[in-house]
Amino acid sequence: QKEVEQNSGPLSVPEGAIASLNCTYSDRGSQSFFWYRQYSGKSPELIMSIYSNGDKEDGRFTAQLNKASQYVSLLIRDSQPSDSATYLCAVNPFEKLVFGQGTRLTINP
Amino acid sequence: GAVVSQHPSRVICKSGTSVKIECRSLDFQATTMFWYRQFPKKSLMLMATSNEGSKATYEQGVEKDKFLINHASLTLSTLTVTSAHPEDSSFYICSARGGAGQETQYFGPGTRLLVL
Repeated sequence: QKEVEQNSGPLSVPEGAIASLNCTYSDRGSQSFFWYRQYSGKSPELIMSIYSNGDKEDGRFTAQLNKASQYVSLLIRDSQPSDSATYLCAVNPFEKLVFGQGTRLTINP
Repeated sequence: GAVVSQHPSRVICKSGTSVKIECRSLDFQATTMFWYRQFPKKSLMLMATSNEGSKATYEQGVEKDKFLINHASLTLSTLTVTSAHPEDSSFYICSARGGAGQETQYFGPGTRLLVL
């Protein structure tokens, strides 16, 4: 079992809709969770971090964490074509980030 | 804040030469820096972790004699790819993290290396 798992996609969402990205992790001791966005040919850019169970909102982005289910998700409201990218879930169990393989998201105008 | 730079952004070199990549934290002190490699359509692979003033810790399968890492100051880490070969061609990305209690890693823009 991979330490951090994501559906690789591609995930296609119409413009204006809600995009939902999911991630599961294997280490129950993990305390820190991150979502990064990576455009093609560019390095990852931090979108959100979350440390406690529940929801955390920042603009159009909402991160959700459920430690009991070992599940973290990212919702993007009012999706825009500029949101088209690969989204990387990262978990920090041992002082270093463990990345999922990323979900490729395409927003269709 | 939390800006990390890398230099060069792109480098082409001949097989057998060495290439040095610099990673700098511009507006914070980075006690820990990380070096990643990413092949096309793959996720990031951690190569090594470096703490200022100490030897880098390499991930399994990464040759420490081939990928030399130096973290001489709280704002600068360097990765030197020695005797580069075409299979070393990749996208190299560094990230930096602040002091104790700081969890977030901030990534540099990456260096694209092409070895001919």
